[in-house]
Amino acid sequence: AQTVTQSQPEMSVQEAETVTLSCTYDTSENNYYLFWYKQPPSRQMILVIRQEAYKQQNATENRFSVNFQKAAKSFSLKISDSQLGDTAMYFCAFMKPQTTSGTYKYIFGTGTRLKVLA
Amino acid sequence: DSGVTQTPKHLITATGQRVTLRCSPRSGDLSVYWYQQSLDQGLQFLIQYYNGEERAKGNILERFSAQQFPDLHSELNLSSLELGDSALYFCASSVLDRVSYGYTFGSGTRLTVV
Repeated sequence: AQTVTQSQPEMSVQEAETVTLSCTYDTSENNYYLFWYKQPPSRQMILVIRQEAYKQQNATENRFSVNFQKAAKSFSLKISDSQLGDTAMYFCAFMKPQTTSGTYKYIFGTGTRLKVLA
Repeated sequence: DSGVTQTPKHLITATGQRVTLRCSPRSGDLSVYWYQQSLDQGLQFLIQYYNGEERAKGNILERFSAQQFPDLHSELNLSSLELGDSALYFCASSVLDRVSYGYTFGSGTRLTVV
């Protein structure tokens, strides 16, 4: 069964610094997708970035980038030039299509609470 | 505003009661997913509907049920409520063939059972 592990329950970073959140997953699949979602105090879950497993190039969205190591089953999120508005819970998620049922399996990690300090 | 609307935002009820949570998906999205987020826990998938039909079931209790109506809005019914059912309940939607692009989440319903 697939699992997603976020080993850092809480982290903090100074404003304008860089921070990396770790995520590892376990799967025997070859075709899947990985995501990072952000949940600020407003509770809204917001998609930050996605990565397709068949792409070797790491995804980047402005100040957010990932380090995708497929062989190591690692998918870390790097936040550059951290801003106060980045304070949130960050969830790593794994998704794979289930061809037999035509549905998709989504598994979320338990989250990392990030606090950006002024 | 994500386009996914959940009502109510907050709900306080007593043990043993029954409540209904409502979700309207983003315009054009046919799939609706329900998740439960308990305190200090990640998101637990409950159930998925696609165009009115149940497509996948997760860790949904027998006391819970859901449906998706012809106008694509969905309702999650929680009955015989227990203290442990207190949680944040999220609805998310997607166009099924583009789910690999991620979900769009609503802002959640905070359920408190007292």
